[in-house]
Amino acid sequence: DIQMTQSPSTLSASVGDRVTITCRASETTSSWLAWYQQKPGKAPKLLISRASNLESGVPSRFSGSRSGTEFTLTISSLQPDDFATYYCQQYTSYFQPFGQGTKVEIK
Amino acid sequence: EVQLLESGGGLVQPGASLRLSCAASGFTFSTYGMSWVRQAPGKGLEWVSAISRSDGITNYADSVKGRFTISRDNSKSTLYLQMNTLRADDTGVYYCVRDVGPFDLWGQGTLVTVYS
Repeated sequence: DIQMTQSPSTLSASVGDRVTITCRASETTSSWLAWYQQKPGKAPKLLISRASNLESGVPSRFSGSRSGTEFTLTISSLQPDDFATYYCQQYTSYFQPFGQGTKVEIK
Repeated sequence: EVQLLESGGGLVQPGASLRLSCAASGFTFSTYGMSWVRQAPGKGLEWVSAISRSDGITNYADSVKGRFTISRDNSKSTLYLQMNTLRADDTGVYYCVRDVGPFDLWGQGTLVTVYS
């Protein structure tokens, strides 16, 4: 089964910063990768599918990319509403693992 | 309104059983695959189980295989998760999700606590 390694586990940043979160697959995979945002006490929200496809209503400051087995979520200018935990997920196979999560904290 | 509403969580002892339900509304339930995802307290997300739209093909995480059973009743627009032989590490919030490849719709979650 494919394993997803997400880094960093915690990230301290300020409003306006450019933030990058990485997710690496244990083996070659397609671009069937999603990114989710979760705020405390709430269900996760789908941000990006197919590695770079922004879901409807998601601000354009969010973007996703792929280079080989490495996937990246970028927030171009961090806003107060963006402090949350982010998860990647590959959905190529019947087994749909999530990354370990990255908590974006206020610096 | 398009939504998923879970129910059935609770406080049980190890070895007990619980059945979770998820009522779907606002969309044609029978045309979507569905999954369950759980989250232990303070931990990350874990995919638990999935079921196809209509032919009942199911898949399970190794951690629940043989103990949990996912099912659906398309006539009632309801998803189920039968959980048997519960263990302390099954404790967490269980989310019902609409599976379109990624999970594009999530319920609010139902809390399962297994204590001894």
